[in-house]
Amino acid sequence: GQQVMQIPQYQHVQEGEDFTTYCNSSTTLSNIQWYKQRPGGHPVFLIQLVKSGEVKKQKRLTFQFGEAKKNSSLHITATQTTDVGTYFCAGTRGNTGKLIFGQGTTLQVKP
Amino acid sequence: NAGVMQNPRHLVRRRGQEARLRCSPMKGHSHVYWYRQLPEEGLKFMVYLQKENIIDESGMPKERFSAEFPKEGPSILRIQQVVRGDSAAYFCASSQYTTDGRSSYEQYFGPGTRLTVT
Repeated sequence: GQQVMQIPQYQHVQEGEDFTTYCNSSTTLSNIQWYKQRPGGHPVFLIQLVKSGEVKKQKRLTFQFGEAKKNSSLHITATQTTDVGTYFCAGTRGNTGKLIFGQGTTLQVKP
Repeated sequence: NAGVMQNPRHLVRRRGQEARLRCSPMKGHSHVYWYRQLPEEGLKFMVYLQKENIIDESGMPKERFSAEFPKEGPSILRIQQVVRGDSAAYFCASSQYTTDGRSSYEQYFGPGTRLTVT
């Protein structure tokens, strides 16, 4: 079946350092979404990427979708303590809207 | 505009009992998804429903689990004869549509139901 792998599983950074999480799919994706889940909370939608090679920015967050539409990355510049949480990528294939989630990357930021 | 509502937020059941989890989607949303999340793990798709229809249940265990989304009222995820391995957080999400043919609509998640089986 379709799998979405995400690395690393955990990342500890000093406040101000950069952070990147990577997402890889075994099959070509229609699009990819990114969600953030705070400890004890629920996933919150961040962004969706649709086009091959697409790059989108939200303030300090940069999202990329690979040329082959099989991988994606999220990069956070100059992390802050408010960035703490687990970041999930989620891919869709076809027209079902069904999301296949990666395992998530849990970010800890030391002040 | 209320978000996705789930209740109960916490549910404790003894082995062998039934668990009923409810989800009311956002106003105007007709698509509901259920996901299960084990501690320290990602979200696993279980089932996708529209009103009165199960569209995709490929992630549902074959036995003991069922889901419905009636014409009136919330979506229900039902787990019969619960076992310890059913302990997890169960999240419901809703969306207005699934896809416009090119992109998928974002899903709005509820706060989840934390099920503990003792």
